[in-house]
Amino acid sequence: NAGVTQTPKFRVLKTGQSMTLLCAQDMNHEYMYWYRQDPGMGLRLIHYSVGEGTTAKGEVPDGYNVSRLKKQNFLLGLESAAPSQTSVYFCASSYPLDGRTEAFFGQGTRLTVV
Amino acid sequence: DAKTTQPNSMESNEEEPVHLPCNHSTISGTDYIHWYRQLPSQGPEYVIHGLTSNVNNRMASLAIAEDRKSSTLILHRATLRDAAVYYCLNHNAGNMLTFGGGTRLMVKP
Repeated sequence: NAGVTQTPKFRVLKTGQSMTLLCAQDMNHEYMYWYRQDPGMGLRLIHYSVGEGTTAKGEVPDGYNVSRLKKQNFLLGLESAAPSQTSVYFCASSYPLDGRTEAFFGQGTRLTVV
Repeated sequence: DAKTTQPNSMESNEEEPVHLPCNHSTISGTDYIHWYRQLPSQGPEYVIHGLTSNVNNRMASLAIAEDRKSSTLILHRATLRDAAVYYCLNHNAGNMLTFGGGTRLMVKP
């Protein structure tokens, strides 16, 4: 049982390049999330999904797109990377949030945009 | 947006108890209180949650004030592996998990 797996773990991009971060979960969770964490800061929600085929914006969605074509996968895309998107990206998943539900996080993807 | 307030950092000695406080000044009646922690270079992990009563699990205890405006995460015997950033959150069915700055716990040998 792998839990939440993020691919890749590290990446360096040049400004203007594009890339896709993959999040996969094997817990049959409905909800999935993408967060970013800048140095010394808490996590900020980028986008989330409450089910296959659905996505919604979080706190800081600009510059990112997401897709949830399969229940177990949640993709985060950067179409034209900028240095301000240098951060650590965390994916998480959970059953529908009702206050009692816990979320499970991946190990993170460290992205540097130069 | 229901936010919480925590001290930026705390220190503890190894094998001593640690009490991590959190203020929930804007908590609503249906919000559960959640605690997560983030070990260095890892994603956050769930620690414990509660609504009104104190809660215990294998990782920690959670003490909730009667008016629910504050909570305390209790680590009964801190170890070096407990050094992490601890986050408290107000959480209900209507919102996503929102993380504040958390408390950085340093454990001295």
